[in-house]
Amino acid sequence: DQQVKQNSPSLSVQEGRISILNCDYTNSMFDYFLWYKKYPAEGPTFLISISSIKDKNEDGRFTVFLNKSAKHLSLHIVPSQPGDSAVYFCAASARGGAGSYQLTFGKGTKLSVIP
Amino acid sequence: EAQVTQNPRYLITVTGKKLTVTCSQNMNHEYMSWYRQDPGLGLRQIYYSMNVEVTDKGDVPEGYKVSRKEKRNFPLILESPSPNQTSLYFCASSFGTLTGELFFGEGSRLTVL
Repeated sequence: DQQVKQNSPSLSVQEGRISILNCDYTNSMFDYFLWYKKYPAEGPTFLISISSIKDKNEDGRFTVFLNKSAKHLSLHIVPSQPGDSAVYFCAASARGGAGSYQLTFGKGTKLSVIP
Repeated sequence: EAQVTQNPRYLITVTGKKLTVTCSQNMNHEYMSWYRQDPGLGLRQIYYSMNVEVTDKGDVPEGYKVSRKEKRNFPLILESPSPNQTSLYFCASSFGTLTGELFFGEGSRLTVL
């Protein structure tokens, strides 16, 4: 049962345009959401996050929107640049037992920004 | 430089030959975790550790073992590797909070023949 879903395996966008990557989740216990970016032959790197008590967080060209009622979040990249071409993973965090927390990842969306 | 270091980066082995993938972090993180990445399946957690001597199963622990004897090291052990363990493996660490950003290693590509 997939708790974090990225339904688009790939996305192509023209340079300078907006890229919108979507993520849906099913577990209402998720408290925190993160986006990671991964280039080939490298480990994922943290990009941006949002707490469940907020609906928007912005960092430069990157903005994450959270719609709790719809259990949906999205990552907007404006303007898109060729260097943004990578796989983007959506992740959600929930508190587990004994003070632990579990981070669940989606399957990823491969973004290609065309010059 | 803050980093998570995995070794080996690439390994080809045969079924049944025990192997260990090492992971070390220099950020004094309490939390460490192993993930595997497979095409179409994304990142799936194998095991994680909240602190020294505290480990727990993730989503896909079968066929793997881990240990956490020191804070900085979290090796992944495949006692009897099988071809379905051919994958790209990532070690990660963080300070262990709900909002804690995970720092990933560069990955270890394992092929089991």
